[in-house]
Amino acid sequence: DTAVSQTPKYLVTQMGNDKSIKCEQNLGHDTMYWYKQDSKKFLKIMFSYNNKELIINETVPNRFSPKSPDKAHLNLHINSLELGDSAVYFCASSPQEGSYEQYFGPGTRLTVT
Amino acid sequence: GENVEQHPSTLSVQEGDSAVIKCTYSDSASNYFPWYKQELGKRPQLIIDIRSNVGEKKDQRIAVTLNKTAKHFSLHITETQPEDSAVYFCAASHPYGNNRLAFGKGNQVVVIP
Repeated sequence: DTAVSQTPKYLVTQMGNDKSIKCEQNLGHDTMYWYKQDSKKFLKIMFSYNNKELIINETVPNRFSPKSPDKAHLNLHINSLELGDSAVYFCASSPQEGSYEQYFGPGTRLTVT
Repeated sequence: GENVEQHPSTLSVQEGDSAVIKCTYSDSASNYFPWYKQELGKRPQLIIDIRSNVGEKKDQRIAVTLNKTAKHFSLHITETQPEDSAVYFCAASHPYGNNRLAFGKGNQVVVIP
């Protein structure tokens, strides 16, 4: 089974809508992340949670709100979607503090029209 | 914070030849250096990593070398095959915890059959 999974894989929506992306990992990892990858392929960290606690919060518009109900899940809710939000969003997880290796989910391609 | 740069941005090689991608990092306290391969439409996948207590690591046709004094590390792919065509990302650990990685902007490697 896929170790880090995301839903949905594709998301097409109109400007102004609110949408959520879900992520789950079954690796028993402590830390989870959200990355945004734009058309230039640059991987930009957005958020990170360690055992349900927010530990990284980059300069991201407050329209983006992560939630971690438990350490195996990290969801991303986006309010008032804008054209510039179109990108691929990757979830990732990492075993524990100091281990650093990250394992990525399959990505969610968000298209805002 | 940590800054990682990759060179060259695009690399074309003939099948069977070797490919080398180099990354430089800015913070001498970084101690973990992974390489990720991202095929078109897929997730970034960890292919090899190295920690600062070793200078070289090999795994079949791929190897990573680390020069801590010069603050650079390189990915070497020998006997390249068409399936090696992908975007390769290097990264370096942020030295101040939170399991954070600083990613380079990626190299497009094209293997010409």
